[in-house]
Amino acid sequence: QVQLVQSGGGVVQPGRSLRLSCQASGFIFSGHAMHWVRRAPGKGLEWVAIISKDGRYKYYASSVRGRFSFSRDDSENRVFLQMDRLNTEDTATYYCARVSLNSASYYTAELDFWGQGALVIVSS
Amino acid sequence: SYDLTQPVSVSVALGQTARIPCEGNNIGGRTVHWYQQRAGQAPVSVIYRDTNRPFGISERFSGFNSGNTATLTINRVQGGDEADYYCQVYDSSTWVFGGGTKLTVL
Repeated sequence: QVQLVQSGGGVVQPGRSLRLSCQASGFIFSGHAMHWVRRAPGKGLEWVAIISKDGRYKYYASSVRGRFSFSRDDSENRVFLQMDRLNTEDTATYYCARVSLNSASYYTAELDFWGQGALVIVSS
Repeated sequence: SYDLTQPVSVSVALGQTARIPCEGNNIGGRTVHWYQQRAGQAPVSVIYRDTNRPFGISERFSGFNSGNTATLTINRVQGGDEADYYCQVYDSSTWVFGGGTKLTVL
């Protein structure tokens, strides 16, 4: 069955870095684009970034562009979110999510499976 | 940027019908997805491409999209439907979520 298992959350000081990992299994990983989505305490879901299935295309929310970097390793069936220059507004639970193949384009396809989430707390 | 507006909360009696709107400029011309997030859990897709139910999602869930409003409808609401619900679309290299609606079952 499809599984996305996340790791790498924790407490970090403002200005520091953290890397999240998402291990995929149960499907052909190289055939799917992937997203990161976060939810801050008391807030709603916020899209963070997407990477295409071949890793060539990456898009970021304006709130993280230039500070976060999305990568994938198809040999290990993993995606990573490198988060630099973290600030308190980045405190959230971060989810990786798979893009479905239910659409002609990954732009308009839904996020059909989600990881369990990783809590990131940015605090001094 | 493209904005999606949802009511903060919707309350419905057990066994009745809940309707959750998602408003956006000409949203009927876009593809809308809906997600359910129960407390302490990861989101789950409940409707994709406006009207389609993923495998394993109850037929009590349905979606409609036209004009400036997309709507998620939940028939015969159960206690387990209490959750936050989000609509989502794509717009100009960004993926946009509505603010979310908390469904309370009375």
